[in-house]
Amino acid sequence: NAGVTQTPKFQVLKTGQSMTLQCAQDMNHEYMSWYRQDPGMGLRLIHYSVGAGITDQGEVPNGYNVSRSTTEDFPLRLLSAAPSQTSVYFCASSYSLGGNQPQHFGDGTRLSIL
Amino acid sequence: DQQVKQNSPSLSVQEGRISILNCDYTNSMFDYFLWYKKYPAEGPTFLISISSIKDKNEDGRFTVFLNKSAKHLSLHIVPSQPGDSAVYFCAASGTDTDKLIFGTGTRLQVFP
Repeated sequence: NAGVTQTPKFQVLKTGQSMTLQCAQDMNHEYMSWYRQDPGMGLRLIHYSVGAGITDQGEVPNGYNVSRSTTEDFPLRLLSAAPSQTSVYFCASSYSLGGNQPQHFGDGTRLSIL
Repeated sequence: DQQVKQNSPSLSVQEGRISILNCDYTNSMFDYFLWYKKYPAEGPTFLISISSIKDKNEDGRFTVFLNKSAKHLSLHIVPSQPGDSAVYFCAASGTDTDKLIFGTGTRLQVFP
């Protein structure tokens, strides 16, 4: 039972490069989201999706792009990487958007921007 | 503006004793609160939750208490075990936002 799978686990980029962080879930969850975790900042929501074809911005969306073409996949794109985007990125999914639906997290992607 | 605050970045407790992790919030519209546990190099995992219509929820060694008037909740772990050593995040959602708002986390260390 895979749950939420994130790839890659680690990545080093140079400033200005672009890349896509992959996220896939096999639980048929409608709601998926991306967070970044920074020291002293907790988990901050970047973008989220309530279903295929529907996405919306979270707390810190600038510099990131998302799309949701299928229920299973929710990739996060860095358009032009900046050192401020050095962080650990987590993808999560749940049955619905409500707070009473615990989110299932992947194991994260540790991203360093030089 | 941090709507969910965990003011203690770390806590150290002896095995067998009680661990108490605290969380404060500012948004009175929050109506659901969750605790997540995170080990190094892993994603957060759901631990326990509480609805605002309750003041206590218990699950084995874990109990969450909610004081709505003080906008405060706490997670009690009794007895604490070395395997409980992790970072604990408090999170909240409410009628004005379905999205989860996370606190900054508290690192718990349980020593023998």
